[in-house]
Amino acid sequence: DAKTTQPNSMESNEEEPVHLPCNHSTISGTDYIHWYRQLPSQGPEYVIHGLTSNVNNRMASLAIAEDRKSSTLILHRATLRDAAVYYCILREYNAGNMLTFGGGTRLMVKP
Amino acid sequence: NAGVMQNPRHLVRRRGQEARLRCSPMKGHSHVYWYRQLPEEGLKFMVYLQKENIIDESGMPKERFSAEFPKEGPSILRIQQVVRGDSAAYFCASYAGEGYGYTFGSGTRLTVV
Repeated sequence: DAKTTQPNSMESNEEEPVHLPCNHSTISGTDYIHWYRQLPSQGPEYVIHGLTSNVNNRMASLAIAEDRKSSTLILHRATLRDAAVYYCILREYNAGNMLTFGGGTRLMVKP
Repeated sequence: NAGVMQNPRHLVRRRGQEARLRCSPMKGHSHVYWYRQLPEEGLKFMVYLQKENIIDESGMPKERFSAEFPKEGPSILRIQQVVRGDSAAYFCASYAGEGYGYTFGSGTRLTVV
């Protein structure tokens, strides 16, 4: 899997939107962009994934740059329960390979 | 759908004993991945299995560790002669195929005393 770069930590206020950036300048045409999060003492949780177009689901939105070298996970209204480590991961299509986790971004949400 | 089930949630073993960790993937998922997370560290891939086959064990220590995913029953991660350095959270994930995300279990927290 290609490498991604994320800030180590970010802070947000409760009920405000959060934009979590991810750089992946070496992404290939067959790499999907996956986002997972890990709450304290829990297993990772799938958030969203996409290839080229922006994606929305009940948890978040994923905005993918036109050149695909960066993406942003958007939480529209942060809650205290969103405090977690967020991982941006590239996964090659149909490779059958594992996800390779980096350090992720630790999101802190202030009440 | 009960999700990925791991048991036990917590396991305490004395040095030299064996640890057996079980993972039942989501119904219909035939791909299972095991990860280890040492205290205050990131998740590290260990092994990828499909039913009755080990596909990729590049992250598994060469000694004392083994994994299986039999035709019937859960996937098992087995650690023989445990040492204190094996203390960690072990997570498994299952996967339906392209177009879907991976689903992780809640993990087994192994403590070696």
